[in-house]
Amino acid sequence: KQEVTQIPAALSVPEGENLVLNCSFTDSAIYNLQWFRQDPGKGLTSLLLIQSSQREQTSGRLNASLDKSSGRSTLYIAASQPGDSATYLCAVGLGGYSTLTFGKGTMLLVSP
Amino acid sequence: EPEVTQTPSHQVTQMGQEVILRCVPISNHLYFYWYRQILGQKVEFLVSFYNNEISEKSEIFDDQFSVERPDGSNFTLKIRSTKLEDSAMYFCASRAGTGTTEAFFGQGTRLTVV
Repeated sequence: KQEVTQIPAALSVPEGENLVLNCSFTDSAIYNLQWFRQDPGKGLTSLLLIQSSQREQTSGRLNASLDKSSGRSTLYIAASQPGDSATYLCAVGLGGYSTLTFGKGTMLLVSP
Repeated sequence: EPEVTQTPSHQVTQMGQEVILRCVPISNHLYFYWYRQILGQKVEFLVSFYNNEISEKSEIFDDQFSVERPDGSNFTLKIRSTKLEDSAMYFCASRAGTGTTEAFFGQGTRLTVV
């Protein structure tokens, strides 16, 4: 059974810092990996999708990498801002219908 | 920008009552999903739906749950007889395809069973 773990569980940084969020998964036979942002009590906003054949994806200040063989992904956030404060979720897509298995998330607080 | 829409945003129901949660997926998408998140826990997969039938379901999705796409635009989740432990945020998601396309999620329906 696929397990997804995210480290750290919580992170507090001052504005402007670059930071890395980590995600690991136990079964490397994934179709894709997707990073989401969740604000308190809200839905999931897709940030980046990495297909299993890709090594990284970039969107603005966000860069996500994927190392399938070692079962790891990282989300790099450059020049963090207070508006980046949220919970970041990693999810791996499995099977023919790409159902997602989620980690518990990293709660990020960026202080001004 | 196209989005997945869920209604209602919050529903309170008494234990044992039936509830129907509604979703309008993105219009050209083919794959539909329901997930749930109990407060403080991980988001969990419930069911996937493709070509007008259930394609996968989790252990959580027992006989008390059913899904339907009644009219080509709406996608519903029904819980026949709600239990206290069904209290959670329920998310609908859709995809255009499978492995190479993003899943887009709605804002969720918070279900509270009292």
